Amino acid sequence: DAGVTQSPTHLIKTRGQQVTLRCSPKSGHDTVSWYQQALGQGPQFIFQYYEEEERQRGNFPDRFSGHQFPNYSSELNVNALLLGDSALYLCASTHRLGPRLYGYTFGSGTRLTVV
Amino acid sequence: AQTVTQSQPEMSVQEAETVTLSCTYDTSESNYYLFWYKQPPSRQMILVIRQEAYKQQNATENRFSVNFQKAAKSFSLKISDSQLGDTAMYFCAFMYGGGATNKLIFGTGTLLAVQP
Repeated sequence: DAGVTQSPTHLIKTRGQQVTLRCSPKSGHDTVSWYQQALGQGPQFIFQYYEEEERQRGNFPDRFSGHQFPNYSSELNVNALLLGDSALYLCASTHRLGPRLYGYTFGSGTRLTVV
Repeated sequence: AQTVTQSQPEMSVQEAETVTLSCTYDTSESNYYLFWYKQPPSRQMILVIRQEAYKQQNATENRFSVNFQKAAKSFSLKISDSQLGDTAMYFCAFMYGGGATNKLIFGTGTLLAVQP
């Protein structure tokens, strides 16, 4: 049973560029959340998608946007990259009936470095 | 606002010994869930144990157990018979409500090193 798959694993971008990160949820899960984990910090919630709509958003600027596809996979887009966007980006999936029942499953993340 | 505090940035324990990691949280919610996640060098966040706030009994998963003190808003993790594979970053996390849109709020983590 495949868990959460994220791609790419590592990425280096230049300030001002745009980046797209991808996530495939665990089989049976239909809800995807994205987290940003800066070095030495705990993950911070960016947003969550289910039924192809953004359902909840954390304290992140509009430069961070996302999308969910009919097959439940998701993308995280970041525009106008800043040095401070360098972090590990984690994707977590669950089922819409609630993480209480289904729990959250995390991927191994994408390490983004902005230079 | 909900907050999670882990006051121990780093801890070390000898193999086969017992170690306790501390976590406190702040919330005005009555229905919530608490979690401990492990993040090894592979980076994947792995669920270690979970506790539902309405349950008074402390959760246990094999060598891992919690001490949940609701009034004190404390949620510590005890690891018994520590193994080298337990070396990792440990995060305490909080979630309230039961719907699909609930986010996890994480602490800053405790880096645990198990020494041979």
